[in-house]
Amino acid sequence: GENVEQHPSTLSVQEGDSAVIKCTYSDSASNYFPWYKQELGKRPQLIIDIRSNVGEKKDQRIAVTLNKTAKHFSLHITETQPEDSAVYFCAANRDDKIIFGKGTRLHILP
Amino acid sequence: NAGVTQTPKFQVLKTGQSMTLQCAQDMNHNSMYWYRQDPGMGLRLIYYSASEGTTDKGEVPNGYNVSRLNKREFSLRLESAAPSQTSVYFCASTSSVQGGIYEQYFGPGTRLTVT
Repeated sequence: GENVEQHPSTLSVQEGDSAVIKCTYSDSASNYFPWYKQELGKRPQLIIDIRSNVGEKKDQRIAVTLNKTAKHFSLHITETQPEDSAVYFCAANRDDKIIFGKGTRLHILP
Repeated sequence: NAGVTQTPKFQVLKTGQSMTLQCAQDMNHNSMYWYRQDPGMGLRLIYYSASEGTTDKGEVPNGYNVSRLNKREFSLRLESAAPSQTSVYFCASTSSVQGGIYEQYFGPGTRLTVT
């Protein structure tokens, strides 16, 4: 079955710098890769997703890249701001399910 | 449009007690899911329902049962609660967006403590 690995588990970056979170997946049939942001005490919310027919997608300061051959996908946040502090989850689909990575806690340092 | 709603928000149970967590969505989604979230473990799938009338086990189904009451509602039952079931429980629903690709919406969560 699908296995999604996420790294790092914790990431601290200076405000204004970039943050990169990386994930790998195991099921070559996966074709949908969402990223969720979860603030403390809140529900996870979708911030960006990518389908397998594209290699990169960008939305303002957030971008996601996908390498299907290597089964890697990454989240890039540029010009980080204090409100980017949260836990981020990558995920991949398997049949009717979505399998999540274990999350990355992102700290934005002043 | 309320999205995905869950009740209760908080619950404390004694070991051996039973309870049902309720979830409803008003987005006409076919698929609904129950996850548990524990520190450092991410979101782990307990059970899911791909469509009304069907349910399937996820990664961690032991100790739980589910009912897809209708298209809107999907409940999770703990028959005999154990301290290991202390967790935050999230319900989610999905819409298929061309070719079986899913965008998932979450409820606000239920924080359950079993003593």
